[in-house]
This record gives sequence, C-alpha cells and structure tokens, in this order.
Amino acid sequence: AQSVTQLGSHVSVSEGALVLLRCNYSSSVPPYLFWYVQYPNQGLQLLLKYTTGATLVKGINGFEAEFKKSETSFHLTKPSAHMSDAAEYFCAVSSRSGTYKYIFGTGTRLKVLA
Amino acid sequence: DAGVTQSPTHLIKTRGQHVTLRCSPISGHKSVSWYQQVLGQGPQFIFQYYEKEERGRGNFPDRFSARQFPNYSSELNVNALLLGDSALYLCASSYGQGDGYTFGSGTRLTVV
Repeated sequence: AQSVTQLGSHVSVSEGALVLLRCNYSSSVPPYLFWYVQYPNQGLQLLLKYTTGATLVKGINGFEAEFKKSETSFHLTKPSAHMSDAAEYFCAVSSRSGTYKYIFGTGTRLKVLA
Repeated sequence: DAGVTQSPTHLIKTRGQHVTLRCSPISGHKSVSWYQQVLGQGPQFIFQYYEKEERGRGNFPDRFSARQFPNYSSELNVNALLLGDSALYLCASSYGQGDGYTFGSGTRLTVV
C-alpha cells in the first residue's frame, strides 16, 4: 500500500531564507508525485508534479522539487521565502494505473517570519 | 476558463439528516473525485468517477454515495449525518491520470 510521510507539521523560516519541506513516500513501484498548497479556507492548488523524465521539477511561485528514487523522497524547496508563501503544503502520491486516487501526507504548515 | 466549482460553499446540518454536495468539473475533464478533509489533516479519498462510472471508493461507510452525470458534473450524498462528518469536502477534476487534479474550493459541512 502507498503512504506519504511529511516530516515536520510546522516549519518556520525567515523571509528570504531557504524553504525546505520534506516528503517521503512508500510505494512498490514509482508513483506519480505531487505538491499542493492550501491557503486558509480554500481548496488545494497544484504547485508541481513528477510523472516521468527529469527528476528536478519546477513549479509555480518559484518552488521546485527533486524526485530521488533511491531515497523515496520528493522534497519541496524554494530559494527565498516570501511572506505570501505562508500556507499549508501537502505532498501526495498516486498510482500510475488503476484507481486514480491521491494519498496525501498530513501536511506541513509553513510560517514565514518578517 | 472556469475552474472546478462546488456548491454550496457552507452548510449546517443536524445529526441524522441527509446532504447533497455538487461539483462541476473543468470543461473537458472526465474524471471527478471527492475528498474529505478534517481539520488539521490531509484530504482523504472518498470516490473517483470516470465517464460516469465509479472507478474507486475509499474507506468510507455506505452512508456515502456519489454519481456522475452525462455532463460530467457530480454529486456526493451523505445519509444519516454524524458529528464526525463535519469536514471540508473537496471535489477535484482531471483530464488524465498523470495530469494532476484541479481542486475546487470545497464545501464546508458542519453537523450539529
């Protein structure tokens, strides 16, 4: 069965500092991988996805993530945090076949300090 | 283009009542899924529909049901509401399996 672990339910960074949000997955075969952001009282917005090809994936708002098969990781990074990045971030995995469903992690709340 | 639209945005129901939540996918998207997000947790998969057929069901009781219409819109029905059904219900649509889901803003259901 697939699962997702997000290390750190709360992460605080200073404005302008590096953002690193961790995601590890468990899957018998390489899955599709996604990062979503959720602002208060809103739905989820897709930041980026890994399906195939280049393992370093660039997304919106300056975020990127690297798929590392050997480490079963898909960590999200951004070189310089902005106040507007404060939100909840979710990592998700999906099988490449069968039922198209996401398994989400428990989320990481990012706080950006002025 | 309009995104995924859900209605209503907020809803308050009494224990034991029935509720219907509605979702209109992005035009051209044939796959619709429903998720339940309890406060402080990640979304949990409830149903997936593709071309009006149920393709997957999560670990939810039979009180939860759904359907997809010929225009690909969808309804989620919950019978005999419990306090624990209070959550944000998210609908998502997609063109294909690797494309990534686009989520709606959700329906906030409160059961009292």
